[in-house]
Amino acid sequence: AQKVTQAQTEISVVEKEDVTLDCVYETRDTTYYLFWYKQPPSGELVFLIRRNSFDEQNEISGRYSWNFQKSTSSFNFTITASQVVDSAVYFCALSEIATSGTYKYIFGTGTRLKVLA
Amino acid sequence: NAGVTQTPKFRVLKTGQSMTLLCAQDMNHEYMYWYRQDPGMGLRLIHYSVGEGTTAKGEVPDGYNVSRLKKQNFLLGLESAAPSQTSVYFCASQTYRGGTGGRIEQFFGPGTRLTVL
Repeated sequence: AQKVTQAQTEISVVEKEDVTLDCVYETRDTTYYLFWYKQPPSGELVFLIRRNSFDEQNEISGRYSWNFQKSTSSFNFTITASQVVDSAVYFCALSEIATSGTYKYIFGTGTRLKVLA
Repeated sequence: NAGVTQTPKFRVLKTGQSMTLLCAQDMNHEYMYWYRQDPGMGLRLIHYSVGEGTTAKGEVPDGYNVSRLKKQNFLLGLESAAPSQTSVYFCASQTYRGGTGGRIEQFFGPGTRLTVL
């Protein structure tokens, strides 16, 4: 069965520290997509990144970087030099193809990041 | 473009009352989804639709009904609300362009906070 595990329920760091959020997934599909979303205190879900199963290149976007490793079924997210505005709940998600041909997301339970000034 | 909108933003119901949540998208997306978010459980799929006139059950469909009479709207109904349905409800839409370069991320609405007393 498909599953996404975010073992870290809550992480607290001091501003300017680096922090890595872990995501481990399970799937039998050979084609799948992985995502990270941010949910700030205001409640909306903000798309951060999509990665498909054919592309294992790491990606860096400003202070954010993502490490996708199929060998360990992990898609970890690192924030460098964290800032108070990074405080949010971060969700990792896996997209599988349902029998109807559509894509369904499976979300992890989220990691709450608190960045202290 | 407004993206994905949800009506209402907040609602308080008494046990046994009924209500309908409205989701609207102006991106001409084929696929639409309803999720609920509960503390510590991430987002769970209630129902989804792959096109106008079609609906399908997700992970937690019991107690909910949906309709997709128009492509841009996806309605979520609670016929007899129960306290267990107290949650934040998110609607999402998605276009399908699969393959290695496809854009399949879901675009989320702002959420509806529902309390059932």
